[in-house]
Amino acid sequence: AQTVTQSQPEMSVQEAETVTLSCTYDTSESNYYLFWYKQPPSRQMILVIRQEAYKQQNATENRFSVNFQKAAKSFSLKISDSQLGDTAMYFCAFRAPGAGSYQLTFGKGTKLSVIP
Amino acid sequence: DTEVTQTPKHLVMGMTNKKSLKCEQHMGHRAMYWYKQKAKKPPELMFVYSYEKLSINESVPSRFSPECPNSSLLNLHLHALQPEDSALYLCASSHPSDRANTEAFFGQGTRLTVV
Repeated sequence: AQTVTQSQPEMSVQEAETVTLSCTYDTSESNYYLFWYKQPPSRQMILVIRQEAYKQQNATENRFSVNFQKAAKSFSLKISDSQLGDTAMYFCAFRAPGAGSYQLTFGKGTKLSVIP
Repeated sequence: DTEVTQTPKHLVMGMTNKKSLKCEQHMGHRAMYWYKQKAKKPPELMFVYSYEKLSINESVPSRFSPECPNSSLLNLHLHALQPEDSALYLCASSHPSDRANTEAFFGQGTRLTVV
């Protein structure tokens, strides 16, 4: 079974600064998908970024980027130029590939507060 | 259109009531999900439909009854719920697991309170 660990229950960052959220996971799979989801107070889970394990290049989406270290089973999220709208719960999630594999394994989440 | 629409947004129901939650997507996804989320916790998977057939039931009590009338719609029928069933219920959709592009898109959820 896969496990996902987010070791930072809460973090804060000044507006316009950079913050990194940590995520580690455990799996025996060689190929898999990793995701960061954001859940603001409006409740909707929003996909921030995805990474496929067979791709060595780190994914980037505008101000969001990941540091994917496959050997270390680490998948951290870096938010640059933090904005007030980035205040949210952030969940790291793992998904195994293959037909019939639908389960998203979530970490417990990191509550990020962006301070004006 | 990358939206998953859930109705209602809020629902208060008594323990003897019957109600339904609805979910709709028009992204051509053939996998749809129900998740339950308690406060300050990650979502927990309840059901998965793949190609309109129930694929996964995570040992959910029978007072929750899912239904997938077609590839765009997903319902969750509720009957004789308990106060501990109060939670945020999230619907999601994705391409089926045999596709490479399998990220799930979530709706805004229904905040359910059982009194």
